[in-house]
Amino acid sequence: DIQMTQSPSSVSASVGDRVTITCRASQGVSSYLAWYQQRPGKAPKLLIYAASSLQSEVPSRFSGSGSGTEFTLTISSLQPEDFATYYCQQAKSFPRTFGGGTKVEIK
Amino acid sequence: EVQLLESGGDLIQPGGSLRLSCAASGIAFSSCAMGWVRQAPARGLEWVSVISASGGNTYYADSVKGRFTISRDNSKNTLYLQLNSLRAEDTAVYYCARTYSGYNYFDYWGQGTLVTVSS
Repeated sequence: DIQMTQSPSSVSASVGDRVTITCRASQGVSSYLAWYQQRPGKAPKLLIYAASSLQSEVPSRFSGSGSGTEFTLTISSLQPEDFATYYCQQAKSFPRTFGGGTKVEIK
Repeated sequence: EVQLLESGGDLIQPGGSLRLSCAASGIAFSSCAMGWVRQAPARGLEWVSVISASGGNTYYADSVKGRFTISRDNSKNTLYLQLNSLRAEDTAVYYCARTYSGYNYFDYWGQGTLVTVSS
Protein backbone atom coordinates (compact mmCIF):
# COMPACT_ATOMS: atom_id res chain seq x y z
CA ASP A 1 0.00 0.00 0.00
CA ILE A 2 1.11 3.59 -0.61
CA GLN A 3 1.77 5.46 2.63
CA MET A 4 0.92 9.17 2.77
CA THR A 5 2.76 11.36 5.30
CA GLN A 6 1.65 14.89 6.08
CA SER A 7 3.64 17.61 7.77
CA PRO A 8 3.29 19.37 10.03
CA SER A 9 0.68 17.50 12.08
CA SER A 10 -0.55 20.84 13.36
CA VAL A 11 0.13 24.49 12.66
CA SER A 12 -0.88 27.64 14.52
CA ALA A 13 -1.60 30.64 12.35
CA SER A 14 -3.41 33.96 12.34
CA VAL A 15 -6.10 35.29 10.04
CA GLY A 16 -4.41 36.60 6.91
CA ASP A 17 -1.38 34.32 7.19
CA ARG A 18 -0.11 32.16 4.34
CA VAL A 19 -0.17 28.47 5.31
CA THR A 20 1.54 25.60 3.49
CA ILE A 21 0.95 21.91 4.22
CA THR A 22 3.10 19.14 2.75
CA CYS A 23 2.11 15.60 1.79
CA ARG A 24 4.67 12.95 0.80
CA ALA A 25 3.90 9.61 -0.81
CA SER A 26 5.95 6.47 -0.15
CA GLN A 27 6.04 5.90 -3.91
CA GLY A 28 5.15 7.99 -6.93
CA VAL A 29 1.47 8.76 -7.43
CA SER A 30 1.88 11.01 -10.48
CA SER A 31 -0.78 13.72 -10.05
CA TYR A 32 -3.39 11.42 -8.53
CA LEU A 33 -3.76 13.37 -5.33
CA ALA A 34 -6.59 15.17 -3.55
CA TRP A 35 -6.88 17.50 -0.59
CA TYR A 36 -9.87 17.57 1.77
CA GLN A 37 -10.92 19.94 4.52
CA GLN A 38 -12.76 18.68 7.59
CA ARG A 39 -14.29 21.01 10.14
CA PRO A 40 -15.07 19.60 13.63
CA GLY A 41 -18.12 17.34 13.62
CA LYS A 42 -18.57 17.64 9.87
CA ALA A 43 -17.95 15.46 6.84
CA PRO A 44 -14.82 16.08 4.77
CA LYS A 45 -15.02 18.44 1.80
CA LEU A 46 -13.08 18.01 -1.43
CA LEU A 47 -10.88 21.06 -2.10
CA ILE A 48 -8.32 20.03 -4.71
CA TYR A 49 -8.14 17.03 -7.05
CA ALA A 50 -5.56 15.90 -9.58
CA ALA A 51 -2.96 17.65 -7.39
CA SER A 52 -3.79 21.18 -8.55
CA SER A 53 -7.38 21.38 -9.85
CA LEU A 54 -9.68 23.47 -7.69
CA GLN A 55 -13.02 21.83 -6.97
CA SER A 56 -16.11 23.83 -7.93
CA GLU A 57 -17.06 26.62 -5.51
CA VAL A 58 -13.85 26.32 -3.50
CA PRO A 59 -12.28 29.75 -2.88
CA SER A 60 -9.25 30.62 -4.99
CA ARG A 61 -7.10 31.21 -1.89
CA PHE A 62 -6.67 27.42 -1.85
CA SER A 63 -4.12 25.98 -4.26
CA GLY A 64 -2.33 22.69 -4.73
CA SER A 65 0.91 21.77 -6.41
CA GLY A 66 3.33 18.90 -6.84
CA SER A 67 3.62 15.57 -8.57
CA GLY A 68 5.29 12.24 -7.99
CA THR A 69 5.97 11.96 -4.28
CA GLU A 70 5.77 15.51 -2.91
CA PHE A 71 2.74 17.77 -2.81
CA THR A 72 1.69 21.00 -1.14
CA LEU A 73 -1.57 22.64 -0.20
CA THR A 74 -1.35 26.41 0.21
CA ILE A 75 -3.89 28.74 1.75
CA SER A 76 -2.80 32.19 0.58
CA SER A 77 -4.63 34.27 3.18
CA LEU A 78 -6.14 32.31 6.05
CA GLN A 79 -9.77 33.10 6.84
CA PRO A 80 -11.67 32.27 10.07
CA GLU A 81 -13.60 29.48 8.34
CA ASP A 82 -10.35 27.80 7.26
CA PHE A 83 -9.47 26.62 10.75
CA ALA A 84 -9.94 22.89 10.27
CA THR A 85 -8.07 19.67 9.63
CA TYR A 86 -6.72 18.96 6.15
CA TYR A 87 -6.08 15.54 4.61
CA CYS A 88 -4.34 14.42 1.45
CA GLN A 89 -5.40 11.24 -0.38
CA GLN A 90 -3.69 9.33 -3.16
CA ALA A 91 -5.66 7.88 -6.06
CA LYS A 92 -2.84 6.18 -7.96
CA SER A 93 -3.55 2.66 -6.76
CA PHE A 94 -5.85 0.55 -4.62
CA PRO A 95 -6.33 0.71 -1.76
CA ARG A 96 -6.60 4.47 -1.78
CA THR A 97 -4.92 5.96 1.30
CA PHE A 98 -5.16 9.18 3.28
CA GLY A 99 -2.50 11.15 5.07
CA GLY A 100 -2.71 11.49 8.84
CA GLY A 101 -4.06 15.03 8.71
CA THR A 102 -2.85 18.53 9.51
CA LYS A 103 -4.79 20.60 12.00
CA VAL A 104 -4.77 24.34 11.34
CA GLU A 105 -5.34 26.14 14.63
CA ILE A 106 -5.82 29.75 15.63
CA LYS A 107 -2.69 31.41 16.98
CA GLU B 1 -29.47 19.22 -3.96
CA VAL B 2 -27.33 16.15 -3.39
CA GLN B 3 -28.14 14.21 -0.24
CA LEU B 4 -26.47 11.07 1.06
CA LEU B 5 -28.12 9.77 4.22
CA GLU B 6 -26.43 6.97 6.12
CA SER B 7 -28.18 4.75 8.63
CA GLY B 8 -27.67 1.49 10.48
CA GLY B 9 -24.94 2.47 12.91
CA ASP B 10 -25.26 0.89 16.34
CA LEU B 11 -23.51 -0.53 19.40
CA ILE B 12 -22.51 -4.09 18.55
CA GLN B 13 -20.51 -6.77 20.33
CA PRO B 14 -17.17 -8.00 18.98
CA GLY B 15 -17.71 -10.73 16.41
CA GLY B 16 -21.13 -9.36 15.48
CA SER B 17 -22.53 -8.14 12.18
CA LEU B 18 -24.20 -4.97 10.99
CA ARG B 19 -25.44 -3.56 7.71
CA LEU B 20 -25.08 0.12 6.92
CA SER B 21 -27.23 1.84 4.31
CA CYS B 22 -26.81 5.06 2.38
CA ALA B 23 -29.84 6.53 0.64
CA ALA B 24 -28.93 8.87 -2.20
CA SER B 25 -30.95 11.65 -3.79
CA GLY B 26 -30.14 14.51 -6.16
CA ILE B 27 -27.64 12.44 -8.16
CA ALA B 28 -27.91 9.97 -11.04
CA PHE B 29 -27.15 7.17 -8.61
CA SER B 30 -27.06 4.33 -11.12
CA SER B 31 -24.34 6.19 -13.07
CA CYS B 32 -22.12 6.89 -10.06
CA ALA B 33 -19.40 4.84 -8.45
CA MET B 34 -19.77 5.10 -4.67
CA GLY B 35 -17.71 4.36 -1.61
CA TRP B 36 -17.25 4.28 2.15
CA VAL B 37 -14.69 6.08 4.30
CA ARG B 38 -14.45 5.71 8.07
CA GLN B 39 -13.02 7.74 10.92
CA ALA B 40 -12.24 6.30 14.33
CA PRO B 41 -12.84 8.64 17.31
CA ALA B 42 -10.31 11.49 17.31
CA ARG B 43 -8.43 9.84 14.45
CA GLY B 44 -7.88 10.47 10.76
CA LEU B 45 -9.76 9.31 7.70
CA GLU B 46 -9.47 5.71 6.48
CA TRP B 47 -10.54 4.66 2.97
CA VAL B 48 -12.70 1.52 3.24
CA SER B 49 -14.23 0.46 -0.08
CA VAL B 50 -15.62 1.55 -3.44
CA ILE B 51 -18.05 -0.02 -5.91
CA SER B 52 -18.62 0.65 -9.58
CA ALA B 53 -21.86 2.11 -10.90
CA SER B 54 -23.13 -1.30 -11.99
CA GLY B 55 -21.90 -3.05 -8.86
CA GLY B 56 -19.70 -5.35 -10.87
CA ASN B 57 -16.38 -4.07 -9.52
CA THR B 58 -15.47 -3.66 -5.87
CA TYR B 59 -12.30 -2.70 -4.01
CA TYR B 60 -11.45 -2.91 -0.31
CA ALA B 61 -8.89 -1.77 2.22
CA ASP B 62 -6.70 -4.59 3.51
CA SER B 63 -8.04 -4.01 7.03
CA VAL B 64 -11.60 -4.97 6.02
CA LYS B 65 -11.07 -7.37 3.11
CA GLY B 66 -12.91 -10.62 3.70
CA ARG B 67 -15.02 -9.15 6.51
CA PHE B 68 -16.87 -6.25 4.86
CA THR B 69 -18.95 -6.35 1.67
CA ILE B 70 -20.01 -3.33 -0.33
CA SER B 71 -23.11 -3.58 -2.52
CA ARG B 72 -25.80 -1.42 -4.05
CA ASP B 73 -29.40 -1.48 -5.22
CA ASN B 74 -29.76 0.97 -8.10
CA SER B 75 -33.54 0.52 -8.14
CA LYS B 76 -33.61 1.93 -4.58
CA ASN B 77 -30.77 4.49 -4.99
CA THR B 78 -29.14 2.86 -1.99
CA LEU B 79 -25.58 1.84 -1.14
CA TYR B 80 -24.80 -0.78 1.49
CA LEU B 81 -21.89 -1.93 3.61
CA GLN B 82 -22.19 -5.31 5.32
CA LEU B 83 -19.86 -5.49 8.31
CA ASN B 84 -19.08 -8.98 9.65
CA SER B 85 -16.68 -10.30 12.30
CA LEU B 86 -16.54 -6.87 13.86
CA ARG B 87 -13.59 -5.86 16.02
CA ALA B 88 -13.06 -3.06 18.50
CA GLU B 89 -10.83 -1.32 15.94
CA ASP B 90 -13.80 -1.07 13.54
CA THR B 91 -15.36 1.49 15.87
CA ALA B 92 -15.75 4.61 13.77
CA VAL B 93 -18.04 7.02 12.01
CA TYR B 94 -18.73 5.55 8.57
CA TYR B 95 -19.23 8.02 5.73
CA CYS B 96 -20.88 7.25 2.42
CA ALA B 97 -19.52 9.26 -0.49
CA ARG B 98 -19.83 9.62 -4.24
CA THR B 99 -16.66 9.11 -6.20
CA TYR B 100 -15.36 11.65 -8.70
CA SER B 101 -13.12 11.06 -11.71
CA GLY B 102 -13.65 7.33 -11.77
CA TYR B 103 -12.88 5.80 -8.41
CA ASN B 104 -10.31 8.45 -7.60
CA TYR B 105 -11.78 11.06 -5.26
CA PHE B 106 -14.91 11.72 -3.19
CA ASP B 107 -16.90 14.84 -4.01
CA TYR B 108 -20.16 14.41 -2.09
CA TRP B 109 -20.31 13.02 1.43
CA GLY B 110 -23.02 11.98 3.86
CA GLN B 111 -23.09 13.07 7.49
CA GLY B 112 -21.88 9.69 8.76
CA THR B 113 -23.22 6.91 10.98
CA LEU B 114 -21.49 5.72 14.15
CA VAL B 115 -20.57 2.08 14.65
CA THR B 116 -19.36 1.17 18.13
CA VAL B 117 -17.92 -2.30 18.69
CA SER B 118 -17.76 -3.09 22.37
CA SER B 119 -18.82 -5.74 24.86
